[in-house]
Amino acid sequence: GQQLNQSPQSMFIQEGEDVSMNCTSSSIFNTWLWYKQDPGEGPVLLIALYKAGELTSNGRLTAQFGITRKDSFLNISASIPSDVGIYFCAGRPSGTYKYIFGTGTRLKVLA
Amino acid sequence: ETGVTQTPRHLVMGMTNKKSLKCEQHLGHNAMYWYKQSAKKPLELMFVYSLEERVENNSVPSRFSPECPNSSHLFLHLHTLQPEDSALYLCASSQAGEQGAVNSPLHFGNGTRLTVT
Repeated sequence: GQQLNQSPQSMFIQEGEDVSMNCTSSSIFNTWLWYKQDPGEGPVLLIALYKAGELTSNGRLTAQFGITRKDSFLNISASIPSDVGIYFCAGRPSGTYKYIFGTGTRLKVLA
Repeated sequence: ETGVTQTPRHLVMGMTNKKSLKCEQHLGHNAMYWYKQSAKKPLELMFVYSLEERVENNSVPSRFSPECPNSSHLFLHLHTLQPEDSALYLCASSQAGEQGAVNSPLHFGNGTRLTVT
């Protein structure tokens, strides 16, 4: 089946540092989504991307839809302690209604 | 009122019990989903209802039985579960187009943490 490779799996960073994570797929996607999940809660949508090459920001977060339509990245600038959590990418392959999720990037921020 | 509400938040059940998970969305969406989230695995799609019709049954064992009485409510009926079914069960909703294709992001509830003993 289709898979999403998300990396890194986990990362420790110092407060104030920038963070980058990415997802790649083996097939073309029409939509890329980025979510954050805090302990005991469901994933919360951060950014949605709908066009190849699209670059979208949400505060300190920036995400891009790769030109090949097979990848996406999420950057967090000037990280703060509340950025801690698990970040998931999700993609919707062309012609389907399903979203496929990555395995997540666990982010820990050291104050 | 939060967008997608799931109850109960936590559930412990024996393997011979019957229980149901409930999901309600207040976003005006017309597609609803059940996902299973296990440790260190991607979210697994279980069921999709679009325009109140089940459009996906992702090889889920029959001990899980979904029900979607209307576009705002979704249930997952559980019967004779196994310990490996212990996981976080997430409900989500989105907007589907006229022909049922999803054209908006998923919005999740906070999940039901299920433990099967």
